[in-house]
Amino acid sequence: QLLESGGGLVQSGGSLRLSCAASGFTFGNFAMAWVRQGPGKGLEWVSSIHGGGDGIFYADFVKGRFTISRDNSNNVLHLQMNSLGADDTARYYCAKFEGSLLEHWYIDVWGRGTLVTVAS
Amino acid sequence: QSVLTQPPSVSGAPGQRVTISCTGSNSNTGTDHDVHWYQQLAGTAPKLLIFRNNNRPSGVPDRFSGSKSDTSASLVIAGLQAEDEADYYCQSYDSSMSAYVFGTGTQVTVL
Repeated sequence: QLLESGGGLVQSGGSLRLSCAASGFTFGNFAMAWVRQGPGKGLEWVSSIHGGGDGIFYADFVKGRFTISRDNSNNVLHLQMNSLGADDTARYYCAKFEGSLLEHWYIDVWGRGTLVTVAS
Repeated sequence: QSVLTQPPSVSGAPGQRVTISCTGSNSNTGTDHDVHWYQQLAGTAPKLLIFRNNNRPSGVPDRFSGSKSDTSASLVIAGLQAEDEADYYCQSYDSSMSAYVFGTGTQVTVL
């Protein structure tokens, strides 16, 4: 139901644009997120965007470098990543939020992830 | 940097009961913010295991249960099975950071 694409190998300082194609639910009704997992590491929330595209939030470590966006007409979520560094090497998961209030949201659908490798 | 602390590993024999703790602070688990749990089998994406502290999605066996008290939450696996060998993560929302936060993760080993 969530299929990521756009990962790959990039040089330090470079850019990548990740995409996530959603299906099986009314995409525009749900907030979406990107969560990453470095090699051998735990899960890290990266960014999220409300269903209408109005509320956008970022983790401190990507502010000013990453931009999340969505196309509700085509059921696609994007993550534009600029000024990439070695610490950004990770598998990036697309995720669908569920829940009534922002403070209570949880992820009920995960994609398989796309691997981003930043060469220093 | 995870703000929710979990034990790095727990283990048990098949059939045993294991508990995984998730400890936060007043700005996340100490508030009325819910705690959720995810299971990640080796080489796969995480999967929702418990939502809103103590609710199981359809299809999750009832040997998995969750609870929350003060600044801590717990996941209990009652009757450990071989297929439960995985990494487990808690998750909540932190008001001071305005961010969703995950626990450090716990590796469960079935002896």
